[in-house]
Amino acid sequence: DIQMTQSPSTLSASVGDRVTITCRASQSISSWLAWYQQKPGKAPKLLIYKASSLESGVPSRFSGSGSGTEFTLTISSLQPDDFATYYCQQYNGYMWTFGQGTKVEIK
Amino acid sequence: EVHLLESGGDLVQPGGSLRLSCAASGFTFSSYAMSWVRQAPGKGLEWLSAFSGSGGSIYYADSVKGRFTISRDNSKNTLYLQMNTLRAEDTAVYYCARQDGATGTSFDYWGQGTLVTVSS
Repeated sequence: DIQMTQSPSTLSASVGDRVTITCRASQSISSWLAWYQQKPGKAPKLLIYKASSLESGVPSRFSGSGSGTEFTLTISSLQPDDFATYYCQQYNGYMWTFGQGTKVEIK
Repeated sequence: EVHLLESGGDLVQPGGSLRLSCAASGFTFSSYAMSWVRQAPGKGLEWLSAFSGSGGSIYYADSVKGRFTISRDNSKNTLYLQMNTLRAEDTAVYYCARQDGATGTSFDYWGQGTLVTVSS
């Protein structure tokens, strides 16, 4: 099974900061990587699919990059609404796996 | 507008069974693959099972294979998850999620979740 490792687990940042979260796959997953945002008590929300495609309605300050085994989610200028937990998710061979999550906290 | 509404979560004793439902609206249900994903309290997300739109293909995570059964009724726009031989570690919020129509590799819409608690 493919394992997904996110780093860091927790990130403290201020409004306006540029934030980068990394996700590593235990083997190549091409570009089958998605990113989600989850707020407490709420369902996850799709932000990025196919590694770098922005989901409709998601602000352009969110971007994704990478392929193979290393991927990043970047928030270009952190906004108050962005404090949340972020998950990466891979797809390979009819199996879907999530990373353990990165909590973005207010500094 | 796409809407997914889970129901059926409850308190159940270890070894018991439960059936979850997910009522879909706002899209052509039969055209989309659907999945169940769960989240234990304070933990991350775990994909459990997927059901293709109309082709009948079913997939399970190893953690639930043999205990959980996914099904769907396209005439009722409803996805189901039959959970048997429940364990304390199955305690979680269970979400149904629509897989994206183009590739099926990500989950573009989620329900609000239903809580399953396994405890004596």
